Amino acid sequence: QSVLTQPPSVSGAPGQRVTISCTGTSSNIGAGHDVHWLQLLPGTAPRRLIYNNKNRASGVPDRFSGSKSGTSASLAITGLQAEDEGDYYCQSYDSSLNAYVFGTGTKVTVL
Amino acid sequence: QVQLQESGPGLVKPSGTLSLTCAVSGGSINSDDWWSWVRQSPGKGLEWIGQIFHSGITNYNPSLSSRVIISVDKFKNQFSLKFSSVTAADTAVYYCARQQSGTTSLDYWGRGTLVTVSS
Repeated sequence: QSVLTQPPSVSGAPGQRVTISCTGTSSNIGAGHDVHWLQLLPGTAPRRLIYNNKNRASGVPDRFSGSKSGTSASLAITGLQAEDEGDYYCQSYDSSLNAYVFGTGTKVTVL
Repeated sequence: QVQLQESGPGLVKPSGTLSLTCAVSGGSINSDDWWSWVRQSPGKGLEWIGQIFHSGITNYNPSLSSRVIISVDKFKNQFSLKFSSVTAADTAVYYCARQQSGTTSLDYWGRGTLVTVSS
């Protein structure tokens, strides 16, 4: 079940900046649980981009950055590139559900 | 670098049991990490199924727990998923992943395997 809400899609021209929001509740993000971000590209294994709200995973360019405040988190991509096209998901833990939870997913399109 | 590879039948009959294995290479399943299963139904988002520690301790998604068993084989460095009483709604790409010790983050993932439930 997707209990974290993301916009279905975002788009931008090459070089532009886009942001993806991830909205939760007081039992997940608002409870202080960390937020992580994943990139899914067709035919490849999901790739971790950001962990513990703002830390870039190994090998991830600094064009990707994460933040968290209250019951929400955000992923920003600056200097958008064609290779960034794909699906992005946030992930956290929910204390009420006793389960790891994911966002609804956002498709990033490079115009 | 840790690598994970899912394997198992791509087609399961309704009411049957889905069985998948995740082989871990480049790292030991005896580490302090947890090992998870996640699925993605066609056109839908990701859903966490459950996880296991090398000692055999498991945690399951309460919404699925009545049908799920995750086990570990330390000698083969792999872990497995059994999902019973499947229906068409269980058709999905199934991923195995590692949950990094000390965090709730899933850091290494397999490429996933599509399992279709159909007669």
